[in-house]
Amino acid sequence: GIQVEQSPPDLILQEGANSTLRCNFSDSVNNLQWFHQNPWGQLINLFYIPSGTKQNGRLSATTVATERYSLLYISSSQTTDSGVYFCALFSGGYNKLIFGAGTRLAVHP
Amino acid sequence: DVKVTQSSRYLVKRTGEKVFLECVQDMDHENMFWYRQDPGLGLRLIYFSYDVKMKEKGDIPEGYSVSREKKERFSLILESASTNQTSMYLCASSGLAGGPGVTDTQYFGPGTRLTVL
Repeated sequence: GIQVEQSPPDLILQEGANSTLRCNFSDSVNNLQWFHQNPWGQLINLFYIPSGTKQNGRLSATTVATERYSLLYISSSQTTDSGVYFCALFSGGYNKLIFGAGTRLAVHP
Repeated sequence: DVKVTQSSRYLVKRTGEKVFLECVQDMDHENMFWYRQDPGLGLRLIYFSYDVKMKEKGDIPEGYSVSREKKERFSLILESASTNQTSMYLCASSGLAGGPGVTDTQYFGPGTRLTVL
C-alpha cells in the first residue's frame, strides 16, 4: 500500500520563526490534504492540494506530485500553531485517506 | 461552513457494554468515515459509507459495526466493548468531487474520547 512519511517528527520553535514540514509518499496519488490537530483533538483542514501551491495567511503548501512530496510552510509562527500536522493522501475508491504519522510542533513564546 | 458533530466528547463505558457513537453532518455529503486514533499508530480507518445503507470495511473493522439509515447520520457501534477499544474516535464526511466547486475534501468532527474500563 501507499506509504506516507512526514518529517521532522518533532519540531520546537520560538514564536516568530519560520518552518517547513515535509510529506513524502511512495506512489502517485490523486490528491492530498494537510490538517492541523489542535490540543483538543480537533482535525482542522488546512489545504486540499493535488498539485501546485496554495496560500492561506501565514501558511502555504506546495505539492509536487511527479516527485511525490508536499511541503507545508509556516511563517511567523505563533503559539496557537502548536499541535500536530498531518498530511493525508487519497487512495483508491471512495476517497479513503492514508495518514502520515504527523509532525508535532511546539511554539514557545 | 461544513459542520460535523459527534454525540459526545468524552465517554466512559464498561467492558461488555454496547456502545453507540453518533456522527451528523450538515452538508449533504455522500461519504462518511469513522477513524480511530491511537498514540504511535496514527489514524486508522474503521468503516466508511458512500451512500445511505451502504458500508465498506476499512483497515481495522474487527469488533465494530456501523449504521447509516439517513444520509446525514453515520453511527459506529461497539457490540461488546473491550479495553483495547479505548481510543479517540473521529468521524469525517466528504462530498463527491466533480461538481462545480466541489472537492472530495474530508471534514472532521471534534472527536470522542472513549474509555472502556
